[in-house]
Order: sequence, then C-alpha cells, then structure tokens
Amino acid sequence: TQLLEQSPQLLSIQEGENLTVYCNSSSVFSSLQWYRQEPGEGPVLLVTVVTGGEVKKLKRLTFQFGDARKDSSLHITAAQPGDTGLYLCAGRVSGYSTLTFGKGTMLLVSP
Amino acid sequence: DAGVIQSPRHEVTEMGQEVTLRCKPISGHNSLFWYRQTMMRGLELLIYFNNNVPIDDSGMPEDRFSAKMPNASFSTLKIQPSEPRDSAVYFCASSSRRTYGYTFGSGTRLTVV
Repeated sequence: TQLLEQSPQLLSIQEGENLTVYCNSSSVFSSLQWYRQEPGEGPVLLVTVVTGGEVKKLKRLTFQFGDARKDSSLHITAAQPGDTGLYLCAGRVSGYSTLTFGKGTMLLVSP
Repeated sequence: DAGVIQSPRHEVTEMGQEVTLRCKPISGHNSLFWYRQTMMRGLELLIYFNNNVPIDDSGMPEDRFSAKMPNASFSTLKIQPSEPRDSAVYFCASSSRRTYGYTFGSGTRLTVV
C-alpha cells in the first residue's frame, strides 16, 4: 500500500485554467513537501509545510496543509505551459528520518 | 554550488554485467540518499547515509545491490549482476540538518537488455 496517495494521477488542461491536486494519507506527518519534476531531471523542492492548517503561496501556486497534518493540496491559478511536470508530495512521519514520496500527479498544460 | 552531480546520465548494459552509478553530494550536506524511480512504483528509497555511515538499507532490493560512501563527497551504487528488471532512473539526493528538503541530482537512466 502507498503511504501517500496523490490524485489525480494525470491532469491535462488548457493554459489559463485553474487546478487543484491532492495528497492524502492515513498517517500524520511532522512536515510535508511538494516537489516538481521536469522530464529528464530530478525533483526540485517547491515548498515545505509544517503546521496543521498552514497555507503558503508561491506566485500562482497555493499550498495547504490539512488541520490534522494528514493531507495537503496544491492549487495553481491560471496555469501556464511552464507549469507542466510531475508534482510529487513527500512526507516525513514523526520518528522517521527520511521522506516518503507519493507517485505524483502528471500535469500537462497546453498552450 | 553545482548541485548534486550524478554520472553517468545514461547507461545501457547487458544482463549479467556489473553497473556502477556515482554521486557527488552538495558540499556540507551530511545525508545522502539513493532512490529508484519507475512508472509502476514511483520513487523508492533504496538506502541512505548519515555522515558517510549507512543508516537504513532496507529498501535495497536484494544482495545484487550494494552502496558505499567512502567519504563525504562521493558515493556509489553498484548492481552486480544486473537484470532487465533493474531498468529504471536512479536518483541521488543530499540534505543537511539545516534544511527540510532534499536536493536531487539529474539521475542516471539505466537500461539493462
């Protein structure tokens, strides 16, 4: 079983649309991160959230950590082709040193 | 800083051959991780080192896989003998105590035929 479930697995939209992707688990996380991975490259850290209910904004991207610290969402406003990539969430469970990654949401933004 | 450097970027080898993947972490980072990424299973942690010492290798698939970190600036992941099911993208990442996140290399795409 996957510790972190991401949905949807694939999202194909037009430039200018808004979208939300989700990261869910039955486990509580001490911190959660979002990464973006472009083809042929490694994942790149976008944001870290550590407090339940926390909301962080990065230009057109809004990240939210659930109150119970079991889930998170990423909302993109007015998507652009440059947003295309695999979005991965990764959580650190209390007592563990390493991150566990979800399988990711593949986002395709067409011009 | 040049970031995490992995080599080679691509490797094609025949079944049964030995494969060695290399990683140079970011200077000053004290933790190093080896991940494998496939479509089916996503990113899987194989092994991680803290201050050059292997801490958890429970993700290493079997005895054919081994990893070393002889010093703070170099690590290797070796597969011997390689099998077609080892085909994947292998990533190395590093982090420090001061940061929450990992910095990944660009990966090695391994194809075993």
